[in-house]
Amino acid sequence: DAGVIQSPRHEVTEMGQEVTLRCKPISGHDYLFWYRQTMMRGLELLIYFNNNVPIDDSGMPEDRFSAKMPNASFSTLKIQPSEPRDSAVYFCASSPRTGKPDTQYFGPGTRLTVL
Amino acid sequence: GNSVTQMEGPVTLSEEAFLTINCTYTATGYPSLFWYVQYPGEGLQLLLKATKADDKGSNKGFEATYRKETTSFHLEKGSVQVSDSAVYFCAAYNNAGNMLTFGGGTRLMVKP
Repeated sequence: DAGVIQSPRHEVTEMGQEVTLRCKPISGHDYLFWYRQTMMRGLELLIYFNNNVPIDDSGMPEDRFSAKMPNASFSTLKIQPSEPRDSAVYFCASSPRTGKPDTQYFGPGTRLTVL
Repeated sequence: GNSVTQMEGPVTLSEEAFLTINCTYTATGYPSLFWYVQYPGEGLQLLLKATKADDKGSNKGFEATYRKETTSFHLEKGSVQVSDSAVYFCAAYNNAGNMLTFGGGTRLMVKP
């Protein structure tokens, strides 16, 4: 298996622009998670899906952030408009166990820089 | 919900030294406990886990024992290598919320 795939690996954009991050989970996994990692705040859970349905989005910073999972093999995290404080590494992770997603498989991350 | 506290780093050791990274948790009930490792430029990888009290998780020479009485899950390795240099995250799984709660991470630097 190729593991969790994220694209792009690096994104540099200017403040105010729309940014879309993409994730392909491991085939057959039921859960998908989006995390953000910064030096100041560490690793934060933004949102997670179960069987393509958003379950908990309480970690999403504000309305500028949105996430979708149109099918079992694809998810997006969108920031519109982007701000410099959104600069971080964004990780996608998936988990194979229905009902107990305690073991997660992380993608390589997308490093976002907002100028 | 759960909370996880790790010792702050960086931890700097010489090759073949003994490693301990402390981790304590607070939780309702008995969560499953994990150590994840993040190598430079990569995502987190599961290193080991333990699902109940007194269980010992082990992998690649690392081990950690689930201590209910001290609510701890300290990571140890008898002889570290330069290739072990990475950031280590302790985590607890919340059965009610289906979420992993991560500690702040501890950077380990091993010098030749």
